[in-house]
Amino acid sequence: EVQLVESGGGLVQPGRSLKLSCAASGFTFSNYYMAWVRQAPKKGLEWVATISTSGSRTYYPDSVKGRFTISRDNAKSSLYLQMNSLKSEDTATYYCARQRTMGITPSYFDYWGQGVMVTVSS
Amino acid sequence: DIQMTQSPSLLSASVGDRVTINCKASQNINKYLNWYQQKLGEAPKLLIYNTNNLQTGIPSRFSGSGSGTDYTLTISSLQPEDFGTYFCFQHNSWPGTFGAGTKLELK
Repeated sequence: EVQLVESGGGLVQPGRSLKLSCAASGFTFSNYYMAWVRQAPKKGLEWVATISTSGSRTYYPDSVKGRFTISRDNAKSSLYLQMNSLKSEDTATYYCARQRTMGITPSYFDYWGQGVMVTVSS
Repeated sequence: DIQMTQSPSLLSASVGDRVTINCKASQNINKYLNWYQQKLGEAPKLLIYNTNNLQTGIPSRFSGSGSGTDYTLTISSLQPEDFGTYFCFQHNSWPGTFGAGTKLELK
């Protein structure tokens, strides 16, 4: 059974940093692209970051590019999201997700974790 | 970015009803359209990928159709466990984008 378990969320002040982690199990982690997707309170879903199987390719939307860094440790079956210069609009539940591909192009998310809440407030 | 317009935003229905949820893309997305179900406090669950492919373990009462810019999720006979929020997602071009969601509630 595929399991994705996020951790590391919490309350953080604007401008500070936070690192999220995701522990994966039930599949060969190193064979899959992985991603982070977030959902602001009472809002829709927004893709945040994607990383290739080896970690050599990363993808970000403009809203987080330059502030967020996705990384992975295949030996530990773990995914990370380093979030710097946090803003109030980054307040959201962050989901770790396994991502399918079309060739080397990211496509849809097939399994998601339960999510972890990040609140950016002074 | 491709905009996904989902309708209706709220749908009231009864057990046994046939329901449809729609997603309209701002441009052709070549059938790269997926549907997710989310229940309160739970992770989103993939139902349908690439317009009409049923994800493993998802009941056959769920189906998807569409092409070009217009896509539909159909639940043939609503069950009590189907109430929740449904999102569409396109991955034809990046960034992939989600619809705003349809909340399916008990009438």
